[in-house]
Amino acid sequence: DAKTTQPTSMDCAEGRAANLPCNHSTISGNEYVYWYRQIHSQGPQYIIHGLKNNETNEMASLIITEDRKSSTLILPHATLRDTAVYYCIVRFLSGNTPLVFGKGTRLSVIA
Amino acid sequence: KAGVTQTPRYLIKTRGQQVTLSCSPISGHRSVSWYQQTPGQGLQFLFEYFSETQRNKGNFPGRFSGRQFSNSRSEMNVSTLELGDSALYLCASLAGGSTDTQYFGPGTRLTVL
Repeated sequence: DAKTTQPTSMDCAEGRAANLPCNHSTISGNEYVYWYRQIHSQGPQYIIHGLKNNETNEMASLIITEDRKSSTLILPHATLRDTAVYYCIVRFLSGNTPLVFGKGTRLSVIA
Repeated sequence: KAGVTQTPRYLIKTRGQQVTLSCSPISGHRSVSWYQQTPGQGLQFLFEYFSETQRNKGNFPGRFSGRQFSNSRSEMNVSTLELGDSALYLCASLAGGSTDTQYFGPGTRLTVL
């Protein structure tokens, strides 16, 4: 079973920041937080991952709380093309550990 | 680098038939994982291969099998197809190492009639 809890759906106005929360209260010390998104019927797209420090790349920022029990994915300027299902996943530090997907958050970016 | 490629992209089969799907990982990546996505069960892990050996397996019946070749390309096979096997089958590759990220292909949409 997925070890994360995410809201079922969220809306965001185009051009505004989209903040997607994720709870992972049972995360262990060597588990990373990964974010993927899936645009309708395409393969999941990797966004970002982190262990305990905040991370930023060209797509998004990941903010992890100090106790690591929750995190927030931030898309700084959402566009219509960011409409997708966003998955938050915790994963052990091991190359062959599979990704366990929950139901994710359906983000709708509205013009 | 080219991404993960999967063939065919779409497939229609009838119950009782068998099917083989193919996945070519990103160049230099040695691990391939397979996932099944259905509306009811979501994304579920099937199995993972590394250097031609199955390292991990999900909770699927023996009708689902796979293999990996020396060039890291992988195939998965489903025998005696059932209606419930209709799904998007996704392949993901990673290079190896402890914090590796899995990169997904576009998937193969299998419809069983």
